[in-house]
Amino acid sequence: EVQLVESGGGLVQPGGSLRLSCAASGFTFSSYDMHWVRQATGKGLEWVSAIGTAGDPYYPGSVKGRFTISRENAKNSLYLQMNSLRAGDTAVYYCARDGGGDSYMDVWGKGTTVTVSS
Amino acid sequence: EIVMTQSPATLSVSPGERATLSCRASQSVSSNLAWYQQKPGQAPRLLIYGASTRATGIPARFSGSGSGTEFTLTISSLQSEDFAVYYCQQYNNWPLSLTFGGGTKVEIK
Repeated sequence: EVQLVESGGGLVQPGGSLRLSCAASGFTFSSYDMHWVRQATGKGLEWVSAIGTAGDPYYPGSVKGRFTISRENAKNSLYLQMNSLRAGDTAVYYCARDGGGDSYMDVWGKGTTVTVSS
Repeated sequence: EIVMTQSPATLSVSPGERATLSCRASQSVSSNLAWYQQKPGQAPRLLIYGASTRATGIPARFSGSGSGTEFTLTISSLQSEDFAVYYCQQYNNWPLSLTFGGGTKVEIK
């Protein structure tokens, strides 16, 4: 069964850091681009970052310079290092698999919650 | 950035009726559009990609159409499990950005 399981969420103070992890199983992880997408409570979906199979990272302007995406194919794992966190980063963070290089997301994890508050 | 606008924000439909959801892009995205379904407390689920191709395991009552800037998701006969929020997403200007619409909530009338 294809599965993505996120972990690492929690409560962090403004300006703090957090590292999210996503464990993949049931497919050849190294062959897929991967994404992080977030959703604030009661709000819509926002793409946060992506990484290609060669490790090439991509970010929207809202997180560029603060977030770093990485992957460890030997461990079938995806990561998101989040620095200089703000209240506006509070959300559920989903790990998602790219649907074959076209950048829609065909498999999603259940998400991990990040709360930025003092 | 390409802005995706979904309408209506809420759609009230009776079970068994047809539901038509709209998604408009601020500039052409060709057919590089996906639709997702999200139920409360759950992750999104891919329904449609390439504007009209159903994802694996998606029932035939879900269909997508459109190209350029105007897109439609149609649910031909609403089942109880279809009441959810639906999002569109463009991926035409990847890797510059990926953007989602604000969502349409389909609720029981």
